[in-house]
Amino acid sequence: QVQLVQSGAEVKKPGASVTVSCKASGYTFTSYGIHWVRQAPGQTLEWMGWVNAGNGNTKYSQKFQGRVTITRDTSASAAYMELSSLRSEDTAVYYCARELHDSGNFDYWGQGTLVTVSS
Amino acid sequence: QTVVTQEPSLTVSPGGTVTLTCTSSTGTVTSAYYPNWFQQKPGQAPRTLIYSTGNKHSWTPARFSGSLLGGKAALTLSGVQPEDEAEYYCLLFYGGDWVFGGGTKLIVL
Repeated sequence: QVQLVQSGAEVKKPGASVTVSCKASGYTFTSYGIHWVRQAPGQTLEWMGWVNAGNGNTKYSQKFQGRVTITRDTSASAAYMELSSLRSEDTAVYYCARELHDSGNFDYWGQGTLVTVSS
Repeated sequence: QTVVTQEPSLTVSPGGTVTLTCTSSTGTVTSAYYPNWFQQKPGQAPRTLIYSTGNKHSWTPARFSGSLLGGKAALTLSGVQPEDEAEYYCLLFYGGDWVFGGGTKLIVL
């Protein structure tokens, strides 16, 4: 069965960076894209960016451009989201979600990773 | 900045029908926006219900349907169940970028 399993919770200080991983199983990793979405406490979902797991192409939300880097490792069937220059407003649950290439078909989601930014 | 707007909250009686809408600040929502709808319950990850306007996943209950209605994307629940009480989010595609709506809290009362 399809699964997206994310790495565990993180606590970071302001100015630091964090990397969240999303390990995929149960399907052909390179046939899909992986999106990263975050949700601050009590807030709506926020799209951060996407990686084409096949060719590694990426697209980032303008809001996070320059601070976020999304990569993938096809040998590990995993995608990674690194967010740098963390501030308290980055405290949120970060999710990965799968999309069939260029289809608008979002289906499976990871369980979420809580990132807390606090001094 | 593109804004996607949803009703903040809606109340429906069990067994009733309710329609949630998703409006784009850029104008009419069409199938080219690939509307997706997600359900989220407290403490859980979102679950995709509808993709590309009106397509359902294998796990999507038959009472959920997606459509375009009056220039908006719409999610209709027919025969609402108590377990449908949740937050619902829409997601629209803007030529490379995706934007979520603010969410609708559906109350079943």
